[in-house]
Amino acid sequence: GQNIDQPTEMTATEGAIVQINCTYQTSGFNGLFWYQQHAGEAPTFLSYNVLDGLEEKGRFSSFLSRSKGYSYLLLKELQMKDSASYLCAVMDSNYQLIWGAGTKLIIKP
Amino acid sequence: DVKVTQSSRYLVKRTGEKVFLECVQDMDHENMFWYRQDPGLGLRLIYFSYDVKMKEKGDIPEGYSVSREKKERFSLILESASTNQTSMYLCASSQRGDVAKNIQYFGAGTRLSVL
Repeated sequence: GQNIDQPTEMTATEGAIVQINCTYQTSGFNGLFWYQQHAGEAPTFLSYNVLDGLEEKGRFSSFLSRSKGYSYLLLKELQMKDSASYLCAVMDSNYQLIWGAGTKLIIKP
Repeated sequence: DVKVTQSSRYLVKRTGEKVFLECVQDMDHENMFWYRQDPGLGLRLIYFSYDVKMKEKGDIPEGYSVSREKKERFSLILESASTNQTSMYLCASSQRGDVAKNIQYFGAGTRLSVL
């Protein structure tokens, strides 16, 4: 079957760094995506990885290890506006996205 | 900027009613998708479409149908609404091609309550 796991909730402090993990087992792999979703709003695209390694985009970085079925999203210099849910999704062999349930990130001052 | 517009943010309907959810995108995307999002679950794909008049079932199509008469518009239809269809419905669109082109862009969502 297809499965994507990520922690349900995490808490971090403003100004700190947080790492949100995602593990997956899917039929085929074309890429791994991270989206941010503020409460009551649409998911917005953050980043994607196709090859192993780290992709950096400003304060956000995403890492992928295909052999381990593992990714993480790293958020640096946390700001209060980063309080949101972070969704991990894998693009399978049919180019369909398989979604994790999301990690709710709470930032405390 | 890609814009995906869903016709309603909130809807309240009664059991047995026929419900139409509309979605329009302005970026000439080939692919369009309807998902539902429920607490504790990932987004679940209801239907998608690769082209005008084309539709494919997703993971949970039962109780739903779709229509794509124009490239920019993708409608989700609940033939006879039931309380277990109370949910957040999200529409998305993407181009067709390699992974980068398949990035999905979402509308703001429609929160549907069926009483």
